[in-house]
Amino acid sequence: GAGVSQSPSNKVTEKGKDVELRCDPISGHTALYWYRQSLGQGLEFLIYFQGNSAPDKSGLPSDRFSAERTGGSVSTLTIQRTQQEDSAVYLCASSWDGQGAYGYTFGSGTRLTVV
Amino acid sequence: KNQVEQSPQSLIILEGKNCTLQCNYTVSPFSNLRWYKQDTGRGPVSLTIMTFSENTKSNGRYTATLDADTKQSSLHITASQLSDSASYICVVSAQSGNTPLVFGKGTRLSVIA
Repeated sequence: GAGVSQSPSNKVTEKGKDVELRCDPISGHTALYWYRQSLGQGLEFLIYFQGNSAPDKSGLPSDRFSAERTGGSVSTLTIQRTQQEDSAVYLCASSWDGQGAYGYTFGSGTRLTVV
Repeated sequence: KNQVEQSPQSLIILEGKNCTLQCNYTVSPFSNLRWYKQDTGRGPVSLTIMTFSENTKSNGRYTATLDADTKQSSLHITASQLSDSASYICVVSAQSGNTPLVFGKGTRLSVIA
């Protein structure tokens, strides 16, 4: 597609349930980032994928969070046993390269609400 | 540690006034710096990109400056409009490292009539 697509756009889940968020980057983009943005807060780095290299998972807040990128394209962010503090907007961005020399494009995000 | 600090955290200005947002970074080695605008409920959209050799770049009423020596950037908004109300995020790219992209937490700008 023309842009980065994220789904669902909104997700309400009960505390303790697992959720899966999807990011479909621009075709050919090798770099993919996941961020989250809590209400009124700045962007918090979660995980970074670059080509076939091992992902940088240093931003994942706990072992309840995991992410995969299959075939170097679509990525899924999984949150297990969701907690209320997981409520945030989860943003995905992709780029031709990690430095973003050719620009990076963000999706519109998934708004996750844990009740 | 690579970091990007933005100030102020939030700002309220009257429509038609000018304002300047600041970004200080410690990212090294530096590759480029971008300013993004993020409207509420939307993903960030790029305003400008600046490389090491560029000091000033304009995009309409937005003018970004970069001082690579002091590792500071500013975003100046001229004749503000209500539609300028948004978060403005400074993003610095490193030339290498596990995670080349470092985000500031943004400045929340509110333009009021």
